[in-house]
Amino acid sequence: DIQMTQSPSSLSASVGDRVTISCRASQNITRYLNWFQQKPGKAPNLLIYATSSLQGGVPSRFSGSGSGTDFTLTLSNLQPEDFATYYCQQCYTTPRTFGRGTKVEIK
Amino acid sequence: QVQLQQSGPGLVKPSQTLSLTCAISGDSVSNDSAAWSWIRQSPSRGLEWLGRTYYRSKWYSDYAVSVKSRMTINPDTSKRQFSLQLNSVTPEDTAVYYCAREGIRGYSYGAIDYWGQGTLVTVSS
Repeated sequence: DIQMTQSPSSLSASVGDRVTISCRASQNITRYLNWFQQKPGKAPNLLIYATSSLQGGVPSRFSGSGSGTDFTLTLSNLQPEDFATYYCQQCYTTPRTFGRGTKVEIK
Repeated sequence: QVQLQQSGPGLVKPSQTLSLTCAISGDSVSNDSAAWSWIRQSPSRGLEWLGRTYYRSKWYSDYAVSVKSRMTINPDTSKRQFSLQLNSVTPEDTAVYYCAREGIRGYSYGAIDYWGQGTLVTVSS
């Protein structure tokens, strides 16, 4: 199975900050990488698919980049509703696998 | 607008079978651009993809190795739903279970864009 490693596991930030979350795959997944946001008690919500394509309805302050094994999710101008846990997930092959998550907390 | 509505028991005894159903509105389980998946989440295992079913002239299923011998996903075209059966459960199968839709064609390939509300299933006697 492809292992997905996220860093950091948590971070503290303030409203208006720019934050970046990293995700590394254990093998080349080209650009088959998705990002999800999850809030407590809710299902994950797709933010970005295919590394950098913004899902409909997702604000443009979210962006994704990368290819191969290294990927980044960037949140610009952090808003109160962005405090949540973020997961990367590879869809290069089955089984689909997820990172362990990055919790973004209020400083 | 696609919606997925899960149903099934929240408590299952060890060694018994966990059964959940996911009702689809706004789409069809036979849509050949989609796969219908089950994913679970627990503190110990994180988000774990369990398997999927999809239709491409015939039905296909993929399963994670960890559950392959115990798991079945069945599509039901007449009822617009699909189901999960996980046999011989243990307390390690305790988790929140989600059904979900994944695009399997074109620009949205691999995008898991719709999720059910989640069902907490506890395995305990």
